Amino acid sequence: SQTIHQWPATLVQPVGSPLSLECTVEGTSNPNLYWYRQAAGRGLQLLFYSVGIGQISSEVPQNLSASRPQDRQFILSSKKLLLSDSGFYLCAWSSGQGITEAFFGQGTRLTVV
Amino acid sequence: AQTVTQSQPEMSVQEAETVTLSCTYDTSESDYYLFWYKQPPSRQMILVIRQEAYKQQNATENRFSVNFQKAAKSFSLKISDSQLGDAAMYFCAAYSGYSTLTFGKGTMLLVSP
Repeated sequence: SQTIHQWPATLVQPVGSPLSLECTVEGTSNPNLYWYRQAAGRGLQLLFYSVGIGQISSEVPQNLSASRPQDRQFILSSKKLLLSDSGFYLCAWSSGQGITEAFFGQGTRLTVV
Repeated sequence: AQTVTQSQPEMSVQEAETVTLSCTYDTSESDYYLFWYKQPPSRQMILVIRQEAYKQQNATENRFSVNFQKAAKSFSLKISDSQLGDAAMYFCAAYSGYSTLTFGKGTMLLVSP
């Protein structure tokens, strides 16, 4: 069966520090991968998605970047965090074959202080 | 681009009663899926129900059913015999094209004894 791992679960970082959130998927190949942000317990904003290694699409301009160094690994990064980067970050995957539902990781609560 | 709109920020229901959550969407694609996700206080995203656009029959999963009106681009979720465990944020989502899953802003469902 397929599983998705996202870590860390919680993170408190000072303004100006770097960020690295990691997400890995097991049990599937060539998944579509996504990073979402949920601010103030409300809607999910799509930040990045990837349909293959090295292929990253950005939905919104921001202080964040994403990379996909391996087929089932998706990393969200920042060189210098801003207060506005605080939020709940969710990684998700869906099958690269056809249209199917997305499966989500447990999420990372990021607080920038 | 596709959009998903949930016009009810919050809904309340009593145990054992029925509640309907509204969702409208807009997409230019002919092949798409629609989903309802539940996010309990743990913030884990859980798939509740899915609907293929090409299917006229409304999807049903136990106490959860949808009213899919394709021409009106409406996709509402009906929860029958509501239970305390149904209390959560509910997100409507649309998935079309090759890679993106778009969410509405969510509806918080409160269930009272």
